[in-house]
Amino acid sequence: EVQLVQSGAEVKKPGESLRISCKGSGYTFTSYWITWVRQMPGKGLEWMGKIDPSDSYTNYNPSFQGHVTISVDKSITTAYLQWSSLKASDTAMYYCARHTLGGYHGWFDPWGQGTLVTVSS
Amino acid sequence: QSVLTQPPSVSGAPGQRVTISCTGSSSNIGAGYDVHWYQQLPGTAPKFLIYGNNNRPSGVPDRFSGSKSGTSASLAITGLQAEDEADYSCQSYDSSLSGWVFGGGTKLTVL
Repeated sequence: EVQLVQSGAEVKKPGESLRISCKGSGYTFTSYWITWVRQMPGKGLEWMGKIDPSDSYTNYNPSFQGHVTISVDKSITTAYLQWSSLKASDTAMYYCARHTLGGYHGWFDPWGQGTLVTVSS
Repeated sequence: QSVLTQPPSVSGAPGQRVTISCTGSSSNIGAGYDVHWYQQLPGTAPKFLIYGNNNRPSGVPDRFSGSKSGTSASLAITGLQAEDEADYSCQSYDSSLSGWVFGGGTKLTVL
């Protein structure tokens, strides 16, 4: 079974750093891009960026560029999303998802279960 | 403000038909990029529902269908059931953003 399993919920203070993870299994990890999606409380889905696990090439939504970093460790089939300095406005649910082999026309399937990040002083 | 525009909410009685629109522009849907739809049940991760504008993956009932025309797309649900109550989001690619975009999501209420 193809699945993505994310790390658990986090509670952090403003200014702290954080890295959350997304482990893929049941498929050839380096053959499919991984994307990260933010969902703020009561709001819609926002594409943050994606990584190609085969070469670690990344693309970011300009709205998130410079504030988050997407990386991957293909030896353990895991992708990461990290912040160096969290803000209260980073409070949200974060999902990873696998791109299908459609390039620009592709969709996302499957999705991880989500990681809730709460940033509060 | 999402790049793709959806109505915040729609509702219908059991057995009825509802449609959810997804309006884009010449840099995404109008540029020929495919539209996909996701269903998000309360408290769960999104699950893909329709791919390539009008294709259903195995396991998705034929009550769900998609269409695309010009700069817009639509999701239709016929024979509404209580279990269809969820948030529905459209997704495409945007050449101006050089990335993927979602609609703001539509909450379906089954009356």
